[in-house]
Amino acid sequence: DAMVIQNPRYQVTQFGKPVTLSCSQTLNHNVMYWYQQKSSQAPKLLFHYYDKDFNNEADTPDNFQSRRPNTSFCFLDIRSPGLGDAAMYLCATSALRGGYNEQFFGPGTRLTVL
Amino acid sequence: SQQGEEDPQALSIQEGENATMNCSYKTSINNLQWYRQNSGRGLVHLILIRSNEREKHSGRLRVTLDTSKKSSSLLITASRAADTASYFCATALIQGAQKLVFGQGTRLTINP
Repeated sequence: DAMVIQNPRYQVTQFGKPVTLSCSQTLNHNVMYWYQQKSSQAPKLLFHYYDKDFNNEADTPDNFQSRRPNTSFCFLDIRSPGLGDAAMYLCATSALRGGYNEQFFGPGTRLTVL
Repeated sequence: SQQGEEDPQALSIQEGENATMNCSYKTSINNLQWYRQNSGRGLVHLILIRSNEREKHSGRLRVTLDTSKKSSSLLITASRAADTASYFCATALIQGAQKLVFGQGTRLTINP
């Protein structure tokens, strides 16, 4: 089945220790997104790739970086996690067919910072 | 901010009843979407309504859109325990339609 996969589902890191979250898709969608979602809050867009073009949100901290080496994979790097970065990180994809952007989400990675 | 506001923040009803959730937004949109999120999981797309549409149905879901009032509603008929989840509206702007801005969500609980 075509899908969006996130690994790991749960990640524990230490304060200040770099961490990488991964996302892969079998949908062959050209747009990939990373969202941060804190408890009982709306998902907040961090950045997205439209093909190879990287689009950063203005309020995304510099601590967050992303890589998309190919169509299928996208990574979220947190260079120096702080306690405030503990959250669910959601990856999503979209094909933008006809200009409409239904998004397909992975199950998320829950990040704990100790 | 374009961010949608949802009302109510939480809703608890009996199984079999209908559930209605509302969403308001601030600027012109390309389309509006509704998503469901089960606890601790990713979001699942439910339905998309275009800015030139007023009503759309999908199974037990009915979505309306009033662009003059900048509001939308999601109706779930004949609710089931499995409908218990958070429901989010998300708006796509006319410029930059590849991005969505999510509302704060409505936490729906269906009591057996």
